[in-house]
Amino acid sequence: DTEVTQTPKHLVMGMTNKKSLKCEQHMGHRAMYWYKQKAKKPPELMFVYSYEKLSINESVPSRFSPECPNSSLLNLHLHALQPEDSALYLCASRVRDKDFRSPLHFGNGTRLTVT
Amino acid sequence: KQEVTQIPAALSVPEGENLVLNCSFTDSAIYNLQWFRQDPGKGLTSLLLIQSSQREQTSGRLNASLDKSSGRSTLYIAASQPGDSATYLCALYGSGNTGKLIFGQGTTLQVKP
Repeated sequence: DTEVTQTPKHLVMGMTNKKSLKCEQHMGHRAMYWYKQKAKKPPELMFVYSYEKLSINESVPSRFSPECPNSSLLNLHLHALQPEDSALYLCASRVRDKDFRSPLHFGNGTRLTVT
Repeated sequence: KQEVTQIPAALSVPEGENLVLNCSFTDSAIYNLQWFRQDPGKGLTSLLLIQSSQREQTSGRLNASLDKSSGRSTLYIAASQPGDSATYLCALYGSGNTGKLIFGQGTTLQVKP
């Protein structure tokens, strides 16, 4: 079982809906990440939070809005998405960002379908 | 610009065979290299992490090696089992970038009973 928990596992939403993805870890990690993965492709970095502050935004459209309420939680708020945003959204964490001695831990992802 | 390549894209072997998965990179200035396993529709499971100062790491039937001078890492799987069937991804942090993990495209392994 993964130590990074993502909910929901599956989400279907219309283009006018507002929904949120949730990620939780209790390993004391201070860096958390959102990745997007399309079929048969490697994950692509979207956002990095370090000590609850946004440190990297990989030019992600504003219809994706991340939030880190505390060191254990990471949310991704979704609004007015497009069908091409359908993908597996993965959350990850590590001890600290750029602590290269520690591995990256991934959750099982949320499978998002935009209709 | 650092590039990570995994060849072949897909591999099919009979159960019990020892096998090697390859990962090559273009810039030897790296902090570490991590091997992941991904089952269909699931997240990534970390298998092994090799620091730039290390030559290999072992966990059970898995052994990962790192040769920075040649820009190569290999993942050796001993006595393969059908449960090893998955996509294997290598990823590294290069010292020249902003701390962004760079992934290979993955090798999809099928172990036939």
